[in-house]
Amino acid sequence: EPEVTQTPSHQVTQMGQEVILRCVPISNHLYFYWYRQILGQKVEFLVSFYNNEISEKSEIFDDQFSVERPDGSNFTLKIRSTKLEDSAMYFCASSERSLGAYNEQFFGPGTRLTVL
Amino acid sequence: RKEVEQDPGPFNVPEGATVAFNCTYSNSASQSFFWYRQDCRKEPKLLMSVYSSGNEDGRFTAQLNRASQYISLLIRDSKLSDSATYLCVVNRNHQAGTALIFGKGTTLSVSS
Repeated sequence: EPEVTQTPSHQVTQMGQEVILRCVPISNHLYFYWYRQILGQKVEFLVSFYNNEISEKSEIFDDQFSVERPDGSNFTLKIRSTKLEDSAMYFCASSERSLGAYNEQFFGPGTRLTVL
Repeated sequence: RKEVEQDPGPFNVPEGATVAFNCTYSNSASQSFFWYRQDCRKEPKLLMSVYSSGNEDGRFTAQLNRASQYISLLIRDSKLSDSATYLCVVNRNHQAGTALIFGKGTTLSVSS
């Protein structure tokens, strides 16, 4: 069964450093997403991406965040200058473009980001 | 008011029990509804989509009441492996590429 993969599984960084989280979406999917989940809290939407453009972003996704699809398979989330409050599990998800159908999003296993 | 609200639980039930979870959503324009399951420190996994007429998948039954903005999930004949957090999830429209809005989840613990 095809699945979303993410690397690394755990990233530890110092406050102020830049981090790049990587994802490989399901191969025939065209929409890509990043979500985060702070420990003990709900899953929160960050951004969606389609056709090399951001489709939608939340207020969490400020100027320190950026996304990129550098090649045909990878989808990345960059945090430019990490803060302590960026510590969270970051999930990548993908979905097919399927008009009239439910927007079923499939999640990767996540990257646990710890900012010290 | 929170966009998606769920009773956090925990629900502690014996094997074989029937358990029901409820969820309410605030945006009446919401179009798509889902139940996801999340095991501890793992990713959310799609359990089932929720259709207007209600739908069933084995031991799981989902219902939607648009007038009351209410979604439910019924689990029959609970198994130990059903122990997890169940996430009520809403999408504002049918289009791909839009945000999923998650509830905080309801924790289920099934014991032998």
